[in-house]
Amino acid sequence: GAVVSQHPSWVICKSGTSVKIECRSLDFQATTMFWYRQFPKQSLMLMATSNEGSKATYEQGVEKDKFLINHASLTLSTLTVTSAHPEDSSFYICSAALTGGQPQHFGDGTRLSIL
Amino acid sequence: GENVEQHPSTLSVQEGDSAVIKCTYSDSASNYFPWYKQELGKRPQLIIDIRSNVGEKKDQRIAVTLNKTAKHFSLHITETQPEDSAVYFCAAGNTDKLIFGTGTRLQVFP
Repeated sequence: GAVVSQHPSWVICKSGTSVKIECRSLDFQATTMFWYRQFPKQSLMLMATSNEGSKATYEQGVEKDKFLINHASLTLSTLTVTSAHPEDSSFYICSAALTGGQPQHFGDGTRLSIL
Repeated sequence: GENVEQHPSTLSVQEGDSAVIKCTYSDSASNYFPWYKQELGKRPQLIIDIRSNVGEKKDQRIAVTLNKTAKHFSLHITETQPEDSAVYFCAAGNTDKLIFGTGTRLQVFP
């Protein structure tokens, strides 16, 4: 149980493109979803927390207009990297949690490469 | 701000030996402490977690201890096996969010 699917797994695109990443909880309803960014050989840095039906809460230093998060249903959250640039290249990974917020179950991540 | 420190950053052990990874946290409001195992290019997987009302928890070869007064918690893996080789992350937080440690790369040599 508690399966989280993330799509796509790998994206390569040109600078200036917007990229949408989907995070789905397959067998449970996720009240809260989290988006992380992970650089090579580094830790998971929380970008934002999204709750179904409300605006996402962004961590300090994360541009909300750059990283658009939508959590329209209890099983789907999306992260859109707008006008992506090479410095946005990273591993983006989502997690989902049941009511109560813990534990978090992670998706497989999306490797984003901006040329 | 909130911070979680994790040590060591790398750990090499012989198969069958024990491995211990330690974390300290700064936010005294933290009440949930999970440990995740991440293999190269894969998702972090929850291996054990502990809540602040418990001092110790064990699951087969894995155990976690928590000292809330000192704000530190540790992961203990006994009888290590090569398949235990991975990066391990501790985290501290609550229902709102988790702050992750910097990770420990564990290598178990046969």
